[in-house]
Amino acid sequence: DTGVSQDPRHKITKRGQNVTFRCDPISEHNRLYWYRQTLGQGPEFLTYFQNEAQLEKSRLLSDRFSAERPKGSFSTLEIQRTEQGDSAMYLCASSLDRDYNPNYGYTFGSGTRLTVV
Amino acid sequence: DAKTTQPTSMDCAEGRAANLPCNHSTISGNEYVYWYRQIHSQGPQYIIHGLKNNETNEMASLIITEDRKSSTLILPHATLRDTAVYYCIVSRFTGTASKLTFGTGTRLQVTL
Repeated sequence: DTGVSQDPRHKITKRGQNVTFRCDPISEHNRLYWYRQTLGQGPEFLTYFQNEAQLEKSRLLSDRFSAERPKGSFSTLEIQRTEQGDSAMYLCASSLDRDYNPNYGYTFGSGTRLTVV
Repeated sequence: DAKTTQPTSMDCAEGRAANLPCNHSTISGNEYVYWYRQIHSQGPQYIIHGLKNNETNEMASLIITEDRKSSTLILPHATLRDTAVYYCIVSRFTGTASKLTFGTGTRLQVTL
């Protein structure tokens, strides 16, 4: 178990470009979450998957954002036509949720820091 | 999910107990109290959670008042590596949406 992996760790892009981030969750975890964190703030929920199904999306997830989790394993988060306001840390987390048991905490990755210039 | 109130920052001397308070006066009966921490440039790390009873694990203890309107996270012997932002989160575990709503947390500085 190597934990939750995110790639890349850092990304600098020009405004208007598209970017894609990848998250590899803990292998047996069936839930995967994306959060965004700006400087000085706590993480904000974006979306989550149960296996390959995307079950909830935050209003923060504009139509320029799309997330996928094909085959219920790794996930990608794509931002199209990036804006300077998209600059943030994008965090991925996974959890194993069985029988609605709250005793399984999230495991977060180290995040991808996006800077839009 | 209920909102939480935490002090913005706290200091603690190394080796002493760090007691981090959290108010959650609007908590409802089916909501859990979770604590996470975030060390600089890393993702949040789960510490502990509880519903009604006090809880203890290898990292910390969680004391929840009888009316459940507040709680305290206790790090019994703080070290420099405990310097981090600590988040108190109250969340209803519905099984269909177990997302966590983070506030701005308490920045704990452990000093020599």
